[in-house]
Amino acid sequence: QVQLVQSGAEVKKPGASVKVSCKASGYTFSTYGFSWVRQAPGQGLEWMGWISAYSVNTKYAQKLQGRVTMTTDTSTSTTYMELRGLKSDDTAVYYCARDWSEVVPAASSPFDYWGQGTLVTVSS
Amino acid sequence: SYELTQPPSVSVSPGQTATITCSGDYLGDKYACWYQQKPGQSPLLVIYQDNKRPSGIPERFSGSRSGNTATLTISGTQAMDEADYYCQARDSSTVVFGGGTKLTVL
Repeated sequence: QVQLVQSGAEVKKPGASVKVSCKASGYTFSTYGFSWVRQAPGQGLEWMGWISAYSVNTKYAQKLQGRVTMTTDTSTSTTYMELRGLKSDDTAVYYCARDWSEVVPAASSPFDYWGQGTLVTVSS
Repeated sequence: SYELTQPPSVSVSPGQTATITCSGDYLGDKYACWYQQKPGQSPLLVIYQDNKRPSGIPERFSGSRSGNTATLTISGTQAMDEADYYCQARDSSTVVFGGGTKLTVL
């Protein structure tokens, strides 16, 4: 069965960086992309960006451009999301999701499996 | 920036039909997806490409879209359907989520 298992909770100080991992299993890693979505406490879902399985293509949300980098490691079927210059309003649960967009983002592509979420707390 | 508008809350009695709408110019000619999220859980895809149900999603969940409005319908609503529901649309550059609707079954 398809599983996305994320790394554990993190506590960071303002200005620091965080890198969250998401290990996929149960399907052929190279045939799907990944999107990352975050959810601040008590708030809705916010898309952060998308990456193709081979890291060839990425699309980042405009508000995070320059602070976020997504990568994949096909040898371990793992995708990573790094966020730099952390601020208090980056405190959120971060989710990876399997994205049907394999090579380029497609309007018809949903997020059909999600990781369990990783709580990132930014506090001085 | 693009926006998708959902009602903040919808209430329904058990066994009745719940309807949640999602509207916005951004929706236009794009596909809509719907996600269910229960407290402390990850989102779950319940409808994609406007009206398709993933495997394992009960038939009581259905979706439709007309112009700039997408609709999630839950027929014969059960207590277990109480959750937050988010619509989503995307194009080649971005993904937009609606603000979410809290469905209460009472």
